[in-house]
Amino acid sequence: QQPVQSPQAVILREGEDAVINCSSSKALYSVHWYRQKHGEAPVFLMILLKGGEQKGHEKISASFNEKKQQSSLYLTASQLSYSGTYFCGTNSGNTPLVFGKGTRLSVIA
Amino acid sequence: GAVVSQHPSWVICKSGTSVKIECRSLDFQATTMFWYRQFPKQSLMLMATSNEGSKATYEQGVEKDKFLINHASLTLSTLTVTSAHPEDSSFYICSASSLGTGTDTQYFGPGTRLTVL
Repeated sequence: QQPVQSPQAVILREGEDAVINCSSSKALYSVHWYRQKHGEAPVFLMILLKGGEQKGHEKISASFNEKKQQSSLYLTASQLSYSGTYFCGTNSGNTPLVFGKGTRLSVIA
Repeated sequence: GAVVSQHPSWVICKSGTSVKIECRSLDFQATTMFWYRQFPKQSLMLMATSNEGSKATYEQGVEKDKFLINHASLTLSTLTVTSAHPEDSSFYICSASSLGTGTDTQYFGPGTRLTVL
């Protein structure tokens, strides 16, 4: 079942923060976050496993709330390079990922 | 590390011809490779999962006789679009996973843009 991402699109000025949510109607086993720039392949950002995990790298972090069957991606002090479409991929076990429809993020100067 | 390549980057072909797309994991061995197609401004739709040395598992609605997948080695999988038609025009992306488990990272190739005239 395809996870639901929100918002669908967001425009930020450099330095602003953003949160992208990914939720599922089924219990999630893992959540994978990717960023894709136009015409390019998705680039892996991070993976969160069951158990209320939180992790981050530089100014991008994510959390996985197992009870809510939801994950959130936090972008802090956004940079122009953060622009792109963010996808979450989820599964409910040892199964292939199903990706959400994506959140289009535009960072402007 | 974890680099996946695809060849060709783009291809234009006439209706009725077949097109082969290669996906290679360059610096790791991929137990499992996945094939996706993506329409403009849309999500990644899984077409099939392939494990080295065995038959691919196709998602519902994907014609296995039209989209032939071969995973002959731990570093190479191929997708052949047979008797291509204009509606097959799309962006085809592969990904590779070393362990093939649900928690293993999938690394994506750069994609192949197919245009069928």
